[in-house]
Amino acid sequence: GNSVTQMEGPVTLSEEAFLTINCTYTATGYPSLFWYVQYPGEGLQLLLKATKADDKGSNKGFEATYRKETTSFHLEKGSVQVSDSAVYFCALLRNTGFQKLVFGTGTRLLVSP
Amino acid sequence: SAVISQKPSRDICQRGTSLTIQCQVDSQVTMMFWYRQQPGQSLTLIATANQGSEATYESGFVIDKFPISRPNLTFSTLTVSNMSPEDSSIYLCSVGGVPVGTDTQYFGPGTRLTVL
Repeated sequence: GNSVTQMEGPVTLSEEAFLTINCTYTATGYPSLFWYVQYPGEGLQLLLKATKADDKGSNKGFEATYRKETTSFHLEKGSVQVSDSAVYFCALLRNTGFQKLVFGTGTRLLVSP
Repeated sequence: SAVISQKPSRDICQRGTSLTIQCQVDSQVTMMFWYRQQPGQSLTLIATANQGSEATYESGFVIDKFPISRPNLTFSTLTVSNMSPEDSSIYLCSVGGVPVGTDTQYFGPGTRLTVL
C-alpha cells in the first residue's frame, strides 16, 4: 500500500541553522509529493509540491527534490527563522484513480532565537 | 488556490450531542474531503463528499456517525453524531482539483472540537 515515513520530532534548532526533515515514501506508480505546514492553532497550508521524478519544489526558502531512486522527498531550508516553528507534514497523492492524500506523522520544528 | 472557510472555528460540546460543521469554498470545486486530526496526530481521511450522491467513507468511518452533505459545488457539511470524548479532534475540510486539472488539495482552517 501507499505510505509516508517522516523523521520523528521535535527537531530543535537555533535561528539561522540549516534544516533537513527526512521523508520517504512507498507507493505504486508515480505519486505526487507534497509538504504541508501547520502553524500553532491553524489549519494546513501547502508549502511546496513536486509531481515527477527530479522535480524540485520550492517556497519561502524551503526546497524538496523528488528522488525516485531513493523514494525520498526531504525538506530543506538553508537558514531557519523563529517564525518557521510549526509542524511539517509530508504527503503523497496517487496520480491514478481516487485522489486520496496519504500523510506522514508530522515533524514538529522548534526554532529558538 | 481556493479560499476555504469553516464554521464553527471551535466548539465545546457535551457527550451524546451532535455538531454540524460547515465548509464553504469561494469557487466551484470538483472534489471536497473531510479529515480528522486527533490531538498530536496526523490527518486521517474520513470521507469524500460527492455532489449529488452519498459520500464515500474510508475504512473505520460510517455514515451514521459522520453524515455528510454536499448540496452544491461550493458547500459541504460534516456532522459528528452522538459525540464522546474520543471525538475531540480538529476536523478539516479540503478541496481538490484547484485549478481544474491539478491534483493539489487545499485545506480549510479547521474546526477544533472538544467533547466533555
